Amino acid sequence: DIQMTQSPSSLSASVGDRVTITCRASQSINIYLNWYQQKPAKAPKLLIYTASSLQSGVPSRFSGSGSGTDFTLTISNLQPEDFATYYCQQSYSTPGTFGQGTKVDI
Amino acid sequence: EEQLLESGGGLVQPGGSLRLTCAASGFTFKSYAMSWVRQAPGKGLEWVSAVSGSGGGTYYADSVKGRFTISRDNSKNTLYLQMNSLRGDDTAIYYCAKEKDSSRYIGRFDYWGQGTLVTVSS
Repeated sequence: DIQMTQSPSSLSASVGDRVTITCRASQSINIYLNWYQQKPAKAPKLLIYTASSLQSGVPSRFSGSGSGTDFTLTISNLQPEDFATYYCQQSYSTPGTFGQGTKVDI
Repeated sequence: EEQLLESGGGLVQPGGSLRLTCAASGFTFKSYAMSWVRQAPGKGLEWVSAVSGSGGGTYYADSVKGRFTISRDNSKNTLYLQMNSLRGDDTAIYYCAKEKDSSRYIGRFDYWGQGTLVTVSS
């Protein structure tokens, strides 16, 4: 199975900050990398797919980049509703493994 | 609007069985692969199983292979997960999730249900 490693595991930020979360795959996954946001007691929400494509309805302050093994999720101008846990997930091969999550809080 | 509604969770003893159901609405159910993804209390996400839009292709995580069975009834717009020989480490919230833009399993999920809690304990 492909292992996905996110860093950091948690971070503290303020409204208006620019936040970057990284995700590394244990082998090349081309651009088959997705990002999800999960708020407490809620289901995950797809933010970014195929590394850099913004899911419909997701604010443009979210962006993704990368290919191969290294990827980043950037949130520019952090808003109060962005405080959540973020997961990367590879969809290059089965099983589609997730990273361990990055919690963004104040 | 796409909606997924899981049911069937609950408390079950180790070694027992449970069947989860996911009722779908707001989209052409048969046109999309569907998956189950679980989350143990306070932990991260783990993909469990997937089924193609036609139901002809099924896929399982090694941790559940041989114990869980995924199926779907496209006439009822419903997804199922039959869980047998349950163990303590199967305790989790189980989400059903819709594949984005594909009838085959890719592993990219654009809609999720609210989840149903399965607790395996004596």
